[in-house]
Amino acid sequence: DQQVKQNSPSLSVQEGRISILNCDYTNSMFDYFLWYKKYPAEGPTFLISISSIKDKNEDGRFTVFLNKSAKHLSLHIVPSQPGDSAVYFCAATENSGGSNYKLTFGKGTLLTVNP
Amino acid sequence: KAGVTQTPRYLIKTRGQQVTLSCSPISGHRSVSWYQQTPGQGLQFLFEYFSETQRNKGNFPGRFSGRQFSNSRSEMNVSTLELGDSALYLCASSLYGGVTEAFFGQGTRLTVV
Repeated sequence: DQQVKQNSPSLSVQEGRISILNCDYTNSMFDYFLWYKKYPAEGPTFLISISSIKDKNEDGRFTVFLNKSAKHLSLHIVPSQPGDSAVYFCAATENSGGSNYKLTFGKGTLLTVNP
Repeated sequence: KAGVTQTPRYLIKTRGQQVTLSCSPISGHRSVSWYQQTPGQGLQFLFEYFSETQRNKGNFPGRFSGRQFSNSRSEMNVSTLELGDSALYLCASSLYGGVTEAFFGQGTRLTVV
């Protein structure tokens, strides 16, 4: 049972354009969402997060949007750069303020930014 | 400041054997989590340790176990290895277990033949 789904295994965009990566979840108990970036032969690196009490969080070129009613979040990268080429994982956790330290990940989306 | 260190980086084992992987967290971090990454299932949570106590466990069989030492270093053990255990095993450390400040190591690539 995949509680966090990234339905696009890959995405290709041109340098300078917007990259939009999507993520859907099924567990209504999730209250905190995160995006990780992973290069080959490295561990995932935290990128940006959003609490369920917000609908948008921005950090430089990266913005995450959360639509709780649709159980959907997206990561926007503007403008996209070749160095952004990596696998992006969406992750979620429930009871983030309490005692649950488990992250549930999607399967990832490979982003390729072409020069 | 040194990052999360996982050893060994690569490992090849035979079915039926057992294996122990090691994770040294960032200095001062007391929480260590373990994840398994496979092409088919993505990243899946194995367990989390804090101050030598397991606080949370994922849906893996009892062949997967772990422990944490007083210096916060952690080991995970897989007994009676199966072909399906071939994966990248990732360790993440954080101060108290907060997911936003978790830092991942490079992982141990385990191949079972």
